[in-house]
Amino acid sequence: DTGVSQDPRHKITKRGQNVTFRCDPISEHNRLYWYRQTLGQGPEFLTYFQNEAQLEKSRLLSDRFSAERPKGSFSTLEIQRTEQGDSAMYLCASSLSAVGRGYTFGSGTRLTVV
Amino acid sequence: GQSLEQPSEVTAVEGAIVQINCTYQTSGFYGLSWYQQHDGGAPTFLSYNGLDGLEETGRFSSFLSRSDSYGYLLLQELQMKDSASYFCAVRGGGATNKLIFGTGTLLAVQP
Repeated sequence: DTGVSQDPRHKITKRGQNVTFRCDPISEHNRLYWYRQTLGQGPEFLTYFQNEAQLEKSRLLSDRFSAERPKGSFSTLEIQRTEQGDSAMYLCASSLSAVGRGYTFGSGTRLTVV
Repeated sequence: GQSLEQPSEVTAVEGAIVQINCTYQTSGFYGLSWYQQHDGGAPTFLSYNGLDGLEETGRFSSFLSRSDSYGYLLLQELQMKDSASYFCAVRGGGATNKLIFGTGTLLAVQP
């Protein structure tokens, strides 16, 4: 297993367009998280899946954001009608249920909205 | 709500020891974690403290005092490759186990 994979690594899009990112977690990890990180800040929690169920969404996640994890494997994060304020690094992480094991993060998708 | 405070920047020289502090305010507390992130890279897990005391992993140690809502990361025998951002994070509890991250400390190791 090569860890958490995210695709694409970089995405430049025009304001108003829709974008979709993909995350492939470590196969035995049942928990999957999406975070957003802007320059000079720590990752901000967006949403959490346990298997295929989306159990928590941050208030940061407006109606333009949607995430799915069909069959409890890979996950997608879609942003509709992108705005310049959506420009950020979108990070995916996965973990086992055990406490203290920590998250394994992917390398992220850097979104630039122009 | 939850908030974590860390120094924004720390500078040290190769071979030295540096301590990065973290104070937190949380509605519930379930452990303090530390992550390292190199520029343009993914955050990587360094250490976790669920109980008071010191945890040691090679050159890195992490300490927690729950009564003081305080922890620190200690890096010994600093190397140039340790130049990175370091984040403390608290586990929010409940079913999600989600981590809330601090704003990070940028460590610059100088020769």
